[in-house]
Amino acid sequence: EAGVAQSPRYKIIEKRQSVAFWCNPISGHATLYWYQQILGQGPKLLIQFQNNGVVDDSQLPKDRFSAERLKGVDSTLKIQPAKLEDSAVYLCASRPGSLAPRYFGPGTRLTVL
Amino acid sequence: GENVEQHPSTLSVQEGDSAVIKCTYSDSASNYFPWYKQELGKGPQLIIDIRSNVGEKKDQRIAVTLNKTAKHFSLHITETQPEDSAVYFCAASNTGNQFYFGTGTSLTVIP
Repeated sequence: EAGVAQSPRYKIIEKRQSVAFWCNPISGHATLYWYQQILGQGPKLLIQFQNNGVVDDSQLPKDRFSAERLKGVDSTLKIQPAKLEDSAVYLCASRPGSLAPRYFGPGTRLTVL
Repeated sequence: GENVEQHPSTLSVQEGDSAVIKCTYSDSASNYFPWYKQELGKGPQLIIDIRSNVGEKKDQRIAVTLNKTAKHFSLHITETQPEDSAVYFCAASNTGNQFYFGTGTSLTVIP
């Protein structure tokens, strides 16, 4: 079974620039999550999708972050404009019917200079 | 909201010894507690979980205990092996959607 795919794996940008991340969940997984993991901390939920609808985006900084999941499969997360404090690993996860986010992608490490 | 604290932040054990990682949570409504293992350069991997109606759960060398009264839960790894070296995260949830993660424990198993 293929895992959760994410790209790019690494991205370096300057502050105020824009960046986009892509996630392809495991086939058939209706629930998709985006997490932000700052160095030395646990993952923090940014947004959760059920199919192509948003379940929870209460911790998404909506003035600069946006996410979409067209057709209920792939998802993109965008930051515009980026700030220094956005430097982190952005993780995508998906789940079938089980309770917890079970399958995480390898993440995209973002460095904002 | 929920606050999950995790200790210790780093842990070194000799191969074959046991390792214990402890977490506390603040929201008494939390009822589901997964544990994750994160290897360098990879995303977290769910390794074991426990629900609030169970006090202990085991899976081979890994066990998790839960004390609802004290609001703490622990991960126990017995007969540790070098491949157990990783960062471990605990998490807590009361809705099944929003999961609050601990700050992680970096475990090193010394051969």
